[in-house]
Amino acid sequence: EAGVAQSPRYKIIEKRQSVAFWCNPISGHATLYWYQQILGQGPKLLIQFQNNGVVDDSQLPKDRFSAERLKGVDSTLKIQPAKLEDSAVYLCASSSGGLAGAYYEQYFGPGTRLTVT
Amino acid sequence: AQSVSQHNHHVILSEAASLELGCNYSYGGTVNLFWYVQYPGQHLQLLLKYFSGDPLVKGIKGFEAEFIKSKFSFNLRKPSVQWSDTAEYFCAVNHNNNDMRFGAGTRLTVKP
Repeated sequence: EAGVAQSPRYKIIEKRQSVAFWCNPISGHATLYWYQQILGQGPKLLIQFQNNGVVDDSQLPKDRFSAERLKGVDSTLKIQPAKLEDSAVYLCASSSGGLAGAYYEQYFGPGTRLTVT
Repeated sequence: AQSVSQHNHHVILSEAASLELGCNYSYGGTVNLFWYVQYPGQHLQLLLKYFSGDPLVKGIKGFEAEFIKSKFSFNLRKPSVQWSDTAEYFCAVNHNNNDMRFGAGTRLTVKP
C-alpha cells in the first residue's frame, strides 16, 4: 500500500512570498489532516478534512493560510504571504474514517520543510 | 482546549536500561491517547494507542503504556531499551477522532 505522498520535500522562500504544498493521501482514506511542526515542538493540527468538507480549522491562521480538498482526494495548503515564523515542517496525514466513537489510525507523510528567510 | 505535556525533553540511557517517559493531558471528556515515534529520517508512526478497555496497552517493539485516568497520565514504558530505540517520542490525545493534540516530544538517545 502506497503511503501518504507530499511535495515538495523542501522549500526556501523569502518573507512575504507565497508557497503551496501538496498532499496525496492513502487511496480510499476519507480524512485528511495538515499539521505544522515547528522545530522543538510537537505537530500542531492546522486543518482536518472529512472527504472535501472541513471538520476542524480552529488552529489555522486564516488571514494567511488556506487549504482545500476539492474532490475529496488530494489537498493543497497555501501560505500567502509567508512570515519568518512560518518556518516549520508541514505534515500531511490521512485516515480511513473519522466517525465519532470509532478509532482510525492516522498515517503520516514525510513532510515538507519550509524555510522562510 | 485540551493540551498535552511531556516533561522530559531529552533522555539519555544506556542499552538495557528501563525507560519511562511521562505524558499528562488536560481534557475533561473522553479521550483517545497515543504514542507516536519518529526514528531518524523516518515518518511519524504509531507506537500504541488507548481507546477503551484495559488501561495497560501494549504496542510494537516491546513498548507499553498505562492510562491512569485519575492522574490524567499516559506514561510510556519499556523494560530494556536498545540502541535502535533512539528516536523522538510524541504523546498525543484526541476526542472522537477530532482535535488531535501532540506534546512537544521527548528525544531518546540510547548509548550502545
